[in-house]
Amino acid sequence: DGGITQSPKYLFRKEGQNVTLSCEQNLNHDAMYWYRQDPGQGLRLIYYSQIVNDFQKGDIAEGYSVSREKKESFPLTVTSAQKNPTAFYLCASQVTNGYGYTFGSGTRLTVV
Amino acid sequence: GQQVMQIPQYQHVQEGEDFTTYCNSSTTLSNIQWYKQRPGGHPVFLIQLVKSGEVKKQKRLTFQFGEAKKNSSLHITATQTTDVGTYFCAGPYGGATNKLIFGTGTLLAVQP
Repeated sequence: DGGITQSPKYLFRKEGQNVTLSCEQNLNHDAMYWYRQDPGQGLRLIYYSQIVNDFQKGDIAEGYSVSREKKESFPLTVTSAQKNPTAFYLCASQVTNGYGYTFGSGTRLTVV
Repeated sequence: GQQVMQIPQYQHVQEGEDFTTYCNSSTTLSNIQWYKQRPGGHPVFLIQLVKSGEVKKQKRLTFQFGEAKKNSSLHITATQTTDVGTYFCAGPYGGATNKLIFGTGTLLAVQP
């Protein structure tokens, strides 16, 4: 079955460490997105990519970095510069402009 | 900046009662989408509305897009325990048709 796979499901990080969250899709979607969700809140856009080797910052890109070397993959790195990284991270993809997103099951990152 | 607000933030109903959540955007939207996120899960796309005044139904769910394309509503008739979750509306950022800004969400609790 086609879908989006995010790994790991749970991640614990020590302060000062960089971590990379994986997002892989086999839906042949062009666009991919990273959102952050804090408890009881909505989703905020971190980065997005419309095509391979191109990506743009969202509203809260500071302390994060991404790459899009393959159509199927859009990994997110949470750097030590991110002041409050504990959150639920959601990756999404989209087949055409202006239509619904397909989300992965998310990664819960906790800084310890 | 652009904002999308939802009311209420939380609604508790008895099973069988109706439920409505309202979505209001600070700007005119080219379309509005609705998502459902079950507790501990990820958002799932429900529907997209494009036309001014459009009304769409999915079984017990009725979605409406306002005439000015700045507001929308989701109405659930005769709620069931399976309706529990957070309902988000989302619309395109600025003039873009791909990246979405999500509403603040409404958490629905249904008591059997």
